[in-house]
Amino acid sequence: SFVLAQSPSVSVAPGDTATITCGGHNIGNLDVHWYQQKPGQAPVVVMSYTNDRPSHIPERFSGSNSGSTATLTISGVEAGDEADYYCQVWDTNSDHRVFGGGTKLTVL
Amino acid sequence: QVTLVESGGGVVQPGTSLRLSCVASGITFNSLDFHWVRQAPGKGLEWVAFISYDGENEFYGDSVKGRFTVSRDDSKKTLYLQMNSLTGEDTALYYCAADRGPGPFDYWGQGALVTVSS
Repeated sequence: SFVLAQSPSVSVAPGDTATITCGGHNIGNLDVHWYQQKPGQAPVVVMSYTNDRPSHIPERFSGSNSGSTATLTISGVEAGDEADYYCQVWDTNSDHRVFGGGTKLTVL
Repeated sequence: QVTLVESGGGVVQPGTSLRLSCVASGITFNSLDFHWVRQAPGKGLEWVAFISYDGENEFYGDSVKGRFTVSRDDSKKTLYLQMNSLTGEDTALYYCAADRGPGPFDYWGQGALVTVSS
């Protein structure tokens, strides 16, 4: 089955840029969606179809996808961005949806 | 306002069954695909099951295939997850989620906690 690999944690200072990656075989050929999950809350979409940002998500969030790595970039990180972030794809070979293991973003 | 509300969670013994429900409001239920996603305590998200908007297609994660069954009742705007032969590894918060096609999970409930323990 398709596997998505994420670094367990990323730490950045306020105002810096956070880069969260999601690795998978030829993931560049797939649409990647990103979710933010804060403690005790359900996940929320922060980026869909690689770089389509929902209207309620700040422009500081952006996405890219090429080759074997998809990336969620958060510029000008704020304390409120501290959360777990998950990538997700639709594996068309199996019709399964697949989540990455998640990355905990810590704002120092 | 879109709302998904799960119910039916609880503490059950290994080997037993449980059925979760998810009632939707504020959305055109019969135009949406639905999923169940679970999250074990302190762990990441795991996709569990899918049912298409018309109920014609179902898919299951490898860890639950053959034990879990997803269904829907459009007249009640309700999604179900029948879980059989439960084990401790099924202990998790179970979310229902909806998408408008093969895209992101746009809408999520708050989850129903299932604990499998003797």
